[in-house]
Amino acid sequence: AQSVTQLDSQVPVFEEAPVELRCNYSSSVSVYLFWYVQYPNQGLQLLLKYLSGSTLVESINGFEAEFNKSQTSFHLRKPSVHISDTAEYFCAVSDSRGGGTSYGKLTFGQGTILTVHP
Amino acid sequence: GAVVSQHPSWVICKSGTSVKIECRSLDFQATTMFWYRQFPKQSLMLMATSNEGSKATYEQGVEKDKFLINHASLTLSTLTVTSAHPEDSSFYICSALHRDSYQPQHFGDGTRLSIL
Repeated sequence: AQSVTQLDSQVPVFEEAPVELRCNYSSSVSVYLFWYVQYPNQGLQLLLKYLSGSTLVESINGFEAEFNKSQTSFHLRKPSVHISDTAEYFCAVSDSRGGGTSYGKLTFGQGTILTVHP
Repeated sequence: GAVVSQHPSWVICKSGTSVKIECRSLDFQATTMFWYRQFPKQSLMLMATSNEGSKATYEQGVEKDKFLINHASLTLSTLTVTSAHPEDSSFYICSALHRDSYQPQHFGDGTRLSIL
């Protein structure tokens, strides 16, 4: 079984400031890691993912996250945020082993609401 | 990119009505689809896993007779909330796994269900 903890439920920042949204996970097996973003009254959009390889992954809109196995973390960062980044962000993990009843299942964190102020 | 369409996006109905929500993968085949429920200011709660051609697997505590799931084809899964009551009001979101790749899940835009 896995669990995900997002340490901050709300993060207010000013426009153009850097931001870090924290995510820690617990799992007895190897995992894939994801960040999703949700805008009001919408579904989730994949922001970035770590499956294997380089531990630093980047999105097309300037976000990045680094997989730290020893600290079981996958924090999301952006050096300069925009008003349009205001949304709720979810960290999620899944079992990286193929097959079985856990195939494809995601375990989500509680979400972090990022609010960017002008 | 992979697109998942969910319909309707918003539904309001009277207590006792049954409501069907559709989830379609528009440009890929999905052997597995997932149904989630999201309460205000909370995370997504997995309700069930829907596999094409077989019975859905429900998470603990989810009433399978209340939430009927049918995955009739590789591109369509439906969730029917039977005899809906106000406590069933919520935001329901589906997601789909591409047949030929493991991750990620692609999400629909959700359905806001309000039972009066």
